[in-house]
Amino acid sequence: AQRVTQPEKLLSVFKGAPVELKCNYSYSGSPELFWYVQYSRQRLQLLLRHISRESIKGFTADLNKGETSFHLKKPFAQEEDSAMYYCALKNNDMRFGAGTRLTVKP
Amino acid sequence: GAVVSQHPSRVICKSGTSVKIECRSLDFQATTMFWYRQFPKQSLMLMATSNEGSKATYEQGVEKDKFLINHASLTLSTLTVTSAHPEDSSFYICSASPISGDRDTQYFGPGTRLTVL
Repeated sequence: AQRVTQPEKLLSVFKGAPVELKCNYSYSGSPELFWYVQYSRQRLQLLLRHISRESIKGFTADLNKGETSFHLKKPFAQEEDSAMYYCALKNNDMRFGAGTRLTVKP
Repeated sequence: GAVVSQHPSRVICKSGTSVKIECRSLDFQATTMFWYRQFPKQSLMLMATSNEGSKATYEQGVEKDKFLINHASLTLSTLTVTSAHPEDSSFYICSASPISGDRDTQYFGPGTRLTVL
């Protein structure tokens, strides 16, 4: 069964500090993984996906099949990065992790 | 960019009544739309996959007779919560993927907050 685990419900860092939001998955096939972000009072939106190997708003995420992880990283966090982040795995549908609330303090 | 709308954004109803929530893709067509439910401080839970022109596929534990889904066109899916009860109070979110173009991306609606008194 496909499953996405985000072990941290809350994560707090200071502005300028590096941040890593953890995501682990279990899936028997080749996964398609995504990170979604939800800013306060806004809709859920796609942040990035592993297929495109892109960097959005300074965030990157590398798929590690050996560790079955897809951690989201940013070297220098900004206050505007404060939001709820969801890791998701796509098969025929989308399975979401529980989400991590990131707070970047000034 | 692709936009998905939901209507209403917020609804309060009495126990026992039925509530219909609309999900529309405004500038693209989608053969498949998804309905999610989010309880406070919990993750999005997929309820069902709505397929245009055919029956919806429900996740295990989701009552299909209680949560009626109709995918009337390539731009509209509706979720009807029948005989709503307080435990159905939740945040309902739909998403859709374009038929053409960026098919791998799901675009989410803003959500509908249902409160059943």
